[in-house]
Amino acid sequence: DIVMTQSPDSLALSLGERATINCKSSQTVLYSFSNKNYLAWYQQKPGQPPKLLIYWASTRESGVPDRFSGSGSGTDFTLTITSLQAEDVAVYYCQQYYNTPLTFGGGTKVEIK
Amino acid sequence: EVQLVESGGGLVQPGGSLRLSCAASGFTFTTYAMNWVRQAPGKGLEWVSYISDTGTTIYQADSVKGRFTISRDNAKNSLYLHMNSLRDEDTAVYYCVRHRGGTWDDVFDIWGQGTMVTVSS
Repeated sequence: DIVMTQSPDSLALSLGERATINCKSSQTVLYSFSNKNYLAWYQQKPGQPPKLLIYWASTRESGVPDRFSGSGSGTDFTLTITSLQAEDVAVYYCQQYYNTPLTFGGGTKVEIK
Repeated sequence: EVQLVESGGGLVQPGGSLRLSCAASGFTFTTYAMNWVRQAPGKGLEWVSYISDTGTTIYQADSVKGRFTISRDNAKNSLYLHMNSLRDEDTAVYYCVRHRGGTWDDVFDIWGQGTMVTVSS
């Protein structure tokens, strides 16, 4: 199984600050044939189901604000929120869809300081 | 509007059974693979089971293998999860989730609101 490890577990930042969330996979999720990373990011606000933010490691889902960006390749990935807004308070999860079982990271809780 | 609505959750004793249902609307159900993903109270997300668009390919997490069965009825635009031999650790919100495409190697793009399953004596 591919183990997804996120860091930090939580972070508290002021409005307008930059948030950086890391995700590391226990093996590559880069499919060399297509040169695509099978890595997605989801946002889960309190009391709501998760929402897809980023797929193929760096492609924003339609309607997602451009302050959200994804980067990385192979085994190391980052989700960045360039200017934290109050509505970004949530838990963020990375997920690999390179092979089954499909696995998620443990989540990173983002709060406003 | 694309929508997934789960039902069937509730309180069940350890060793008991339950069947969850998911009604899909607003999209062509027959062209999408589907999943169940669960979330224990205060915990992270755990993928449970996958079924392809035609229902011919099924994958399951080891934690539920032999106890849970995923199925779909494309004529009724519905997804099901039959859960047997339930354990305390199966207590969770169960989400019905759509894959973007017809196969497993794609993202989860639409999530239902979830249905709570509580296993307790």
